[in-house]
Amino acid sequence: QQQVKQSPQSLIVQKGGISIINCAYENTAFDYFPWYQQFPGKGPALLIAIRPDVSEKKEGRFTISFNKSAKQFSLHIMDSQPGDSATYFCAASHPNTGKLIFGQGTTLQVKP
Amino acid sequence: EAGVTQSPTHLIKTRGQQATLRCSPISGHTSVYWYQQALGLGLQFLLWYDEGEERNRGNFPPRFSGRQFPNYSSELNVNALDLEDSALYLCASSPRGRGLTGELFFGEGSRLTVL
Repeated sequence: QQQVKQSPQSLIVQKGGISIINCAYENTAFDYFPWYQQFPGKGPALLIAIRPDVSEKKEGRFTISFNKSAKQFSLHIMDSQPGDSATYFCAASHPNTGKLIFGQGTTLQVKP
Repeated sequence: EAGVTQSPTHLIKTRGQQATLRCSPISGHTSVYWYQQALGLGLQFLLWYDEGEERNRGNFPPRFSGRQFPNYSSELNVNALDLEDSALYLCASSPRGRGLTGELFFGEGSRLTVL
């Protein structure tokens, strides 16, 4: 119930293409769903976050889609660039605990 | 504005020893979080401190402990080190309450290797 399942584990996309990463959860008590980007040797950096009462949120080339009934959410990276090559983590916030449950991560490679 | 800083960057210890990792949050942030990023296990929540108090801890044994100082910096102590403790330890900070929305600012981590 505490898990967040993320797929795919790795993804290769051509420059200009769309990268799609999916996550699923079981615990309906989760109240925020952030996405983090991590480059090698760096800590994760917050990309974008969504609440379960919002179906979509867009920030630049990054869009989160949220399907509350299916308990799934996904990250779309439009016009993917080589500089987007990184590991992406979805996460779910357990309310009032300060605890984020992270997915296992997706390593994205964008080929020039 | 300086980000979250962690020290040391790398630390090598042997089994049974103790390790101390340090974290300075972003100025103005009062909450500090510790996560373990072990190979193949993703990021696991360790501890949450706010205003000097431990607010929550993850599913880790008591030999993982820490504290937050009056200036909001924090340290993580790991006693009786085991090989499985080898990991990247990440500290994150947030303004009070903002961490509850998943908005964390991470440092670059301390790499602990246990031999």
